[in-house]
Amino acid sequence: DSGVTQTPKHLITATGQRVTLRCSPRSGDLSVYWYQQSLDQGLQFLIQYYNGEERAKGNILERFSAQQFPDLHSELNLSSLELGDSALYFCASSVGVRADTIYFGEGSWLTVV
Amino acid sequence: SQQGEEDPQALSIQEGENATMNCSYKTSINNLQWYRQNSGRGLVHLILIRSNEREKHSGRLRVTLDTSKKSSSLLITASRAADTASYFCATDAGRNNDMRFGAGTRLTVKP
Repeated sequence: DSGVTQTPKHLITATGQRVTLRCSPRSGDLSVYWYQQSLDQGLQFLIQYYNGEERAKGNILERFSAQQFPDLHSELNLSSLELGDSALYFCASSVGVRADTIYFGEGSWLTVV
Repeated sequence: SQQGEEDPQALSIQEGENATMNCSYKTSINNLQWYRQNSGRGLVHLILIRSNEREKHSGRLRVTLDTSKKSSSLLITASRAADTASYFCATDAGRNNDMRFGAGTRLTVKP
């Protein structure tokens, strides 16, 4: 158990819909990262937050947004969902803004039908 | 975009044999890490090697880093069936620690 909690574990939704994925980082970790893993794209970095502020942005679509709240949990919002958004979404956390190790949650499986 | 590329994409060996996986990357790095992922599960950190280090050991794992060739290798000695998983290299290439992962090597260890 990494200490990173993600909910929901599985989610099935229709195209055009909007979903929110939630992440609680390890106790004491200030950075939260979101990754998308799909068969054809591999593990893609989406975005990083540190202590409530956006720190780095990767291949995150405009239809996607994220935020980190004062209690340090984070949410990834996915809207106008398309079939191609079906993937495993990981949240990870680390202590600082630059950390040697990041700890992954078990992921949220999103299936868009 | 991905920073690292693992090679081979898939590797199948017998229990007890050694497994070697390679990673190449494109830009200068601060450190390089290897992670393991069991099917459909979260990634687990295995080992980190800094840019000023050339070799590092952790149990049955041995990692080398050649910054001149922008490459790293992960050696798992005396493999076990439980080592069956995907292995990813990740690089901390930017000032913001936005860690980028390769596509992974799928290792199968046959009992």
